[in-house]
Amino acid sequence: AQSVTQLDSQVPVFEEAPVELRCNYSSSVSVYLFWYVQYPNQGLQLLLKYLSGSTLVKGINGFEAEFNKSQTSFHLRKPSVHISDTAEYFCAVSDPDTGFQKLVFGTGTRLLVSP
Amino acid sequence: DTGVSQNPRHKITKRGQNVTFRCDPISEHNRLYWYRQTLGQGPEFLTYFQNEAQLEKSRLLSDRFSAERPKGSFSTLEIQRTEQGDSAMYLCASSIKQATNEKLFFGSGTQLSVL
Repeated sequence: AQSVTQLDSQVPVFEEAPVELRCNYSSSVSVYLFWYVQYPNQGLQLLLKYLSGSTLVKGINGFEAEFNKSQTSFHLRKPSVHISDTAEYFCAVSDPDTGFQKLVFGTGTRLLVSP
Repeated sequence: DTGVSQNPRHKITKRGQNVTFRCDPISEHNRLYWYRQTLGQGPEFLTYFQNEAQLEKSRLLSDRFSAERPKGSFSTLEIQRTEQGDSAMYLCASSIKQATNEKLFFGSGTQLSVL
């Protein structure tokens, strides 16, 4: 069964600093990979996804992620964070055979941006 | 596009009672998903509908849980004889598949507390 590991439960960072949120997945076959953001009292919102092709994926709000098959990682990065980026971030994986039907999520990383 | 709507936002019930949640997907979205999110965890897949057909159910969905999507529009998730372990956020998502691409839109969830 697929699984996702987000090693950092919480990442504190100062405004305008760069940030990287780590995600590792366990699968020896092809995967689809996703990053979702959850703001307080709101639903999950898709930041970006990797299906195939270029390993560098650009998403909304200035975020990007790089798919690394040899390291089975899909880390999320942003060069300069804002206070408004404070939220919970979830990495997710799915099997291309089932497409988007059954996402397996990590436990989440809380990004705390302070002035 | 009014987004995915879930009602109620919060539900407090006593152990042993039955509860029902409703999800109204984005109109024209033929796919609908239910996920459950417990404190400190990522969302876990429960079940999936394409139109009115329930195509997949997780083993997390015990026989106390039942989901329906009559006429392929809104969906309900019922939990019978609730247990304290059922306390969680229940998330609904909808999507429409376009070619090989698909994007899930999540609702804000129903927070269930079983006393």
